[in-house]
This record gives sequence, C-alpha cells and structure tokens, in this order.
Amino acid sequence: GQQLNQSPQSMFIQEGEDVSMNCTSSSIFNTWLWYKQEPGEGPVLLIALYKAGELTSNGRLTAQFGITRKDSFLNISASIPSDVGIYFCAGRQGGSEKLVFGKGTKLTVNP
Amino acid sequence: EAGVVQSPRYKIIEKKQPVAFWCNPISGHNTLYWYRQNLGQGPELLIRYENEEAVDDSQLPKDRFSAERLKGVDSTLKIQPAELGDSAVYLCASSLDQGGSAFSGNTIYFGEGSWLTVV
Repeated sequence: GQQLNQSPQSMFIQEGEDVSMNCTSSSIFNTWLWYKQEPGEGPVLLIALYKAGELTSNGRLTAQFGITRKDSFLNISASIPSDVGIYFCAGRQGGSEKLVFGKGTKLTVNP
Repeated sequence: EAGVVQSPRYKIIEKKQPVAFWCNPISGHNTLYWYRQNLGQGPELLIRYENEEAVDDSQLPKDRFSAERLKGVDSTLKIQPAELGDSAVYLCASSLDQGGSAFSGNTIYFGEGSWLTVV
C-alpha cells in the first residue's frame, strides 16, 4: 500500500540535543498527524495538523504542515531519555478517511 | 475517559489455527479502524467502519480475514486459518467523524494493539 517517505530512518542523539524529522509525499494531503510508538504499545497521537502552513506545538514538540501540502516536519527540542521511541507521520488525502503512514523514525537518546 | 481497548494483548498460535481479536472504541466514536503493523513498518489499514457499515475493506485479505461491528460499537477481527506471514501487531483505532470539522475532528486514536505470533 501507499506509504509516506519519512526520514531519517533512525537517529542517535545525546540528551539535550534538538531533533528534526520529516515526511514527504508526491500527493497532496489535507491532514498530517504525528504519532509516537513505544515498545509493546500502540501509536499515541502527538500533534494533529489540518491547515497548510500551520505550526503547532505540544510542549517540547513542534510540527508544521508544509505550504505545498506534500510535507510535514516534527521537531523535538532539548531531548530527554523518555523521548526514545518510533515516531510516525501519517497523512490523509482530501475526500478520503484513509490514513497513510510513514515507516517511522526510530529515536535513541543517550543520557 | 477510557481509550481504545483491545484484547488479547498477546497471542501465540500455530499456523492453520483460527484467532480472533476484539476492540472497544472510545465512547461515542462512530468510526472504527483495524490496522496491521508489520515489524519495522508503519500501520496499514485493513478495514474501516462507519457505525456498523464497512466502508473500506479493500485491503482486507478476504479469503482468510473477516471482521464485524454488528451494533456499531465494538468490533472483532478474525483470521482463519492463520499463516506464518500473519505475525504482526493488529491495531484497532477509532475517531469521531465530525463531517470535516477541523478541531480534533477525524483524529484517529489507537489502542495498544494485539501482538500475534504464528508459529
């Protein structure tokens, strides 16, 4: 099935560093969602974006809906060990309820 | 408020055996989804219900997979018979379809998943 292009695949960073990951598509999306999944758990919603250009924050997390509507990025500032997990972007195209996922970015934070 | 509840959390079965997963969505959510997540991949949609109607089952392998949501609330997903390649996490999710309303509308919330191993 169709999937979004999410990068990087994995990141190894030191505690306190900032993190940036992004998601791109060849198609236009009208909704972008960012999820975090920890081992043995289901994805948990972090941020939802509904308008092109929208910039939304949730604590140390900031996500933006790209102007072209074909991309989105997620930033994590001042990372901490509990940020460890797999971050998924997901997008929904206009006129469709189907949510398409990226393959995830695996984040490791070294104390 | 309770989230999406799934059971069982973990299941190990032999190939050719049947297996069933149950999901109770967030109260009031009219849309329910079943996703499958293979190792190292993002979730992929199997079937979507709006109330009791299956509105998108194009990705459901109908030869061995079946699902139902008889009263428009909880749902079951069944695999019969299971194959080795069915080993995956089966995620249930729900959302409140507000007809396009932007604020928290149509946001999908996931359960913890049912982790299936077929041996």
